Amino acid sequence: DADVTQTPRNRITKTGKRIMLECSQTKGHDRMYWYRQDPGLGLRLIYYSFDVKDINKGEISDGYSVSRQAQAKFSLSLESAIPNQTALYFCATSDRDSSNQPQHFGDGTRLSIL
Amino acid sequence: AQSVTQPDIHITVSEGASLELRCNYSYGATPYLFWYVQSPGQGLQLLLKYFSGDTLVQGIKGFEAEFKRSQSSFNLRKPSVHWSDAAEYFCALAGGYQKVTFGIGTKLQVIP
Repeated sequence: DADVTQTPRNRITKTGKRIMLECSQTKGHDRMYWYRQDPGLGLRLIYYSFDVKDINKGEISDGYSVSRQAQAKFSLSLESAIPNQTALYFCATSDRDSSNQPQHFGDGTRLSIL
Repeated sequence: AQSVTQPDIHITVSEGASLELRCNYSYGATPYLFWYVQSPGQGLQLLLKYFSGDTLVQGIKGFEAEFKRSQSSFNLRKPSVHWSDAAEYFCALAGGYQKVTFGIGTKLQVIP
């Protein structure tokens, strides 16, 4: 089994819909992150969490929300999806000694907003 | 502000040839630096990291990187490239508290 599992792997939806992307991990790491990847822009941090109930905004949090329901689970929501949120989304984890650098990534969710 | 520049968007090398991928950074102090690799359809995998100490860092899959403070660089190298090394490579910097910045990536093509 993968250490970091993202569901779904692919999603196509319409503008205005609410979308939830799920992430679960078996690494036992405290820290979890959500990134989006766009061609020519690299990875940009959306939200991160250092522990259950701890939520912090990243550099591009507008239009997104997250929930850290348990140590192993970190979900990302788009309350009202818009086309420029079409991207590849990654969840990542790290342990406390990682200097906030993501260590383990999921395989990504490809999201298309029509 | 901190930033990471990967000046080469695409690089093509022949199998068996040596490889160097460039990474330059901007940060006011000594940063933590990383290289990741991303194969198609997969997430990023950490190749190596530099925190302090020896400026030549060894990583997985035969890669190494050298931190050069005077040039603000952290170039990734491999002496002999294999076809399986074809992927996209990302340099990243951890500078200010809780802030990690990624470069835009370099796509490596390996030809026979």
